Amino acid sequence: RKEVEQDPGPFNVPEGATVAFNCTYSNSASQSFFWYRQDCRKEPKLLMSVYSSGNEDGRFTAQLNRASQYISLLIRDSKLSDSATYLCVVNRRDSSYKLIFGSGTRLLVRP
Amino acid sequence: DADVTQTPRNRITKTGKRIMLECSQTKGHDRMYWYRQDPGLGLRLIYYSFDVKDINKGEISDGYSVSRQAQAKFSLSLESAIPNQTALYFCATSVGGSTEQYFGPGTRLTVT
Repeated sequence: RKEVEQDPGPFNVPEGATVAFNCTYSNSASQSFFWYRQDCRKEPKLLMSVYSSGNEDGRFTAQLNRASQYISLLIRDSKLSDSATYLCVVNRRDSSYKLIFGSGTRLLVRP
Repeated sequence: DADVTQTPRNRITKTGKRIMLECSQTKGHDRMYWYRQDPGLGLRLIYYSFDVKDINKGEISDGYSVSRQAQAKFSLSLESAIPNQTALYFCATSVGGSTEQYFGPGTRLTVT
């Protein structure tokens, strides 16, 4: 079983839609959580960190549920430019800042 | 100019050849990483280095070696390339105490 699991998608949504991705992690020692964005054939880039209390950055909202060991990302008012793969990433308390990456969820926003 | 650069960007090589991928950074970060990305598997850590004298194996180091020539340079070598090393390779950097990593543009390697 992968340590970080994501639905690969693709999620195909119209512009303006709200879309949500979930991610589950198996190691209870996971300490820090992130969403990275990766455009096709490009490098991953940090989208946002995920805090226990939940956090929002414009149209993006991230939530963490430690009890159930899952992380979510909600995108409101989807734009064509949101089309990308979204990587769920965790860092374990014992791993000296090494990151564990999920395989990604692909989002396609259509006109 | 990019803060993290990788050379070459694309490479096709034959089985058994030795190949080196290079990574340079101008961010002044002390930590550097090499990952490979395969479809459906996500990024997997090959090697990481927390400073010039510190080299550590990641989860998939077999068949690879690294050299940290300077704080700004971290190279990955495949001593004898094999087809299942065909992948997209990323270098990344971070500053000590931070979990945020900055990635280079990637090297697409094909081993025939």
